[in-house]
Amino acid sequence: DTAVSQTPKYLVTQMGNDKSIKCEQNLGHDTMYWYKQDSKKFLKIMFSYNNKELIINETVPNRFSPKSPDKAHLNLHINSLELGDSAVYFCASSWRGGNTIYFGEGSWLTVV
Amino acid sequence: EDQVTQSPEALRLQEGESSSLNCSYTVSGLRGLFWYRQDPGKGPEFLFTLYSAGEEKEKERLKATLTKKESFLHITAPKPEDSATYLCAVQARSGNTGKLIFGQGTTLQVKP
Repeated sequence: DTAVSQTPKYLVTQMGNDKSIKCEQNLGHDTMYWYKQDSKKFLKIMFSYNNKELIINETVPNRFSPKSPDKAHLNLHINSLELGDSAVYFCASSWRGGNTIYFGEGSWLTVV
Repeated sequence: EDQVTQSPEALRLQEGESSSLNCSYTVSGLRGLFWYRQDPGKGPEFLFTLYSAGEEKEKERLKATLTKKESFLHITAPKPEDSATYLCAVQARSGNTGKLIFGQGTTLQVKP
């Protein structure tokens, strides 16, 4: 069973569209994250939720809105997509304080 | 500002040729230093966590060490299947948010 799963794996869309990426974890963790990996493979945190409560928001544009319906799910909705949003988005999970953070397989977003 | 720098950016080794990857860090109180392996098209896979200077951890051909300013990932007699990007990340003690700050990674290629 996949511990952290995210869908879709690949997404190609036009500028201005709105899209969502879904994430689910079956590890029983209480904290989930979204990280962005740019073209230089640099991983940077975007958001973190603990038990559905937002605890990290790293100056991400308002067009990005995370939603956590429960502690096992964290979705990422992106409005008015721009070319610069093209990247790989990784979902991750851990226990609060996160001694070990486990990552999903990534969602490759290409905006054309 | 908390920061992680990895060197070299890329490393080519012959099978059996041992070497080390470096991770230099500055952080306002280290909670933990993490090593991940990332294969092309995949998410980061957890390898090790180190918590205090002098600590060492081993897994197969990999050995991670930690000082107050840097960490090394030693690869002994590497095999082609060790080819991957190795990511180093630190977690600060303050805030208890689980946020990881990543370096840019070292891409290792092991030739048979």
